[in-house]
Amino acid sequence: QVQLVESGGGVVPPGGSLRLSCAASGFTFTDYGIHWVRQAPGKGLEWVAIVFYDDSSNKYYADSVRGRFTISRDNAKNTVYLQMNSLRAEDTAVYYCARRGLMEGHPVDYWGLGTLVTVSS
Amino acid sequence: DTVMTQSPLSLPVTPGEPASMSCRSSQSLLHSNGYKYVNWYLQKPGKSPQLLIFLGSNRASGVPDRFSGSGSGTDFTLKISRVEAEDVGIYYCMQALQFPVTFGGGTKVEIK
Repeated sequence: QVQLVESGGGVVPPGGSLRLSCAASGFTFTDYGIHWVRQAPGKGLEWVAIVFYDDSSNKYYADSVRGRFTISRDNAKNTVYLQMNSLRAEDTAVYYCARRGLMEGHPVDYWGLGTLVTVSS
Repeated sequence: DTVMTQSPLSLPVTPGEPASMSCRSSQSLLHSNGYKYVNWYLQKPGKSPQLLIFLGSNRASGVPDRFSGSGSGTDFTLKISRVEAEDVGIYYCMQALQFPVTFGGGTKVEIK
């Protein structure tokens, strides 16, 4: 079955860096784009970034993270990464990786369980 | 960016009764292919979101038929024909027509 497992979360001081990983299994990884979506404590969902199947320049970011976060993938390891630099308190959230579906409209069709990032001194 | 606005914020429901919630987009989500690029998700308490409806009205695999989606280019509705206790949680709409992907603020469904 489709599985997405995030790791790498933790507590980091403002201005610090963290790299999240998303390990995928149960599907042909190279066919799919992968999103990162975050959820601040008690808040709604906020889209962060997407990398398409071939890790080309075809990546998109939310304005709130562009220039600070970098999404990438290693197709040999079935893993997507989110490198987060210059972290701010407002980046505190559960970070989910999620699969971009292949059906028409490309909805986000599977989500991981998430990893918590806390930016605090 | 496309702003997604959901209402109501909170929806108390009675098991066995119908429920309805709304999502409005600031721009048309009608693709040139005729499909409406809006999806609906349910996030149950303490869980990850799960896909309910895609392309405005198509139920995802395994979703009970008591859930239905409809709408025009900018106004969308999610209906539950007969609410069950397991339907509690926060419902989000999401537009996937253009980047950045955007979500509505959510409608919280709880049992009366």
